[in-house]
Amino acid sequence: AQKVTQAQTEISVVEKEDVTLDCVYETRDTTYYLFWYKQPPSGELVFLIRRNSFDEQNEISGRYSWNFQKSTSSFNFTITASQVVDSAVYFCALRYQAGTALIFGKGTTLSVSS
Amino acid sequence: DAGVTQSPTHLIKTRGQQVTLRCSPKSGHDTVSWYQQALGQGPQFIFQYYEEEERQRGNFPDRFSGHQFPNYSSELNVNALLLGDSALYLCASSLEASRCGNTIYFGEGSWLTVV
Repeated sequence: AQKVTQAQTEISVVEKEDVTLDCVYETRDTTYYLFWYKQPPSGELVFLIRRNSFDEQNEISGRYSWNFQKSTSSFNFTITASQVVDSAVYFCALRYQAGTALIFGKGTTLSVSS
Repeated sequence: DAGVTQSPTHLIKTRGQQVTLRCSPKSGHDTVSWYQQALGQGPQFIFQYYEEEERQRGNFPDRFSGHQFPNYSSELNVNALLLGDSALYLCASSLEASRCGNTIYFGEGSWLTVV
């Protein structure tokens, strides 16, 4: 079965703190893709990153970084020096073959206060 | 370059009524998928359209139907609305002619309230 688990329901931090959002996935496929999306109150899901199962190289984009570890089936997302604008719901998602749907976790609500 | 656009943004319907939601995919994309997101939950896949045909369907009843037009735009229809259909309906588009890992882009969604 394909599944994505985001165990952290809500996280609250103060501005400039670093925060890591956890994502654990389950799939039997050897080829799959992992995604992170950000959902502000407006509702739109904003694409952040896509990572395929062949590439375990970590990625950094500005204050954002992602740690992909196949050995633990995890794809964690870290925000460095968080800002109030980072407040949103963050979703991790899995896609395991062509034409299939994204399987989402339940999301983590991040609240950053000033 | 316009992203994924959806209409209407918000709507209120009465139980038993029917609703049609519309979506225009991102320019250059050929595939449209629909997702339902209940409050506090992650999006759930409804169905996907490619080349004007339903290619895959999630665990939703036949009251949920859709259509894709030659210009790749799509409609989601829900008949005999139930209170439980109240949710954010998200349209997603992608270019599926090649690899499955292509990025999927979402619109801002249509907020449906059934009273």
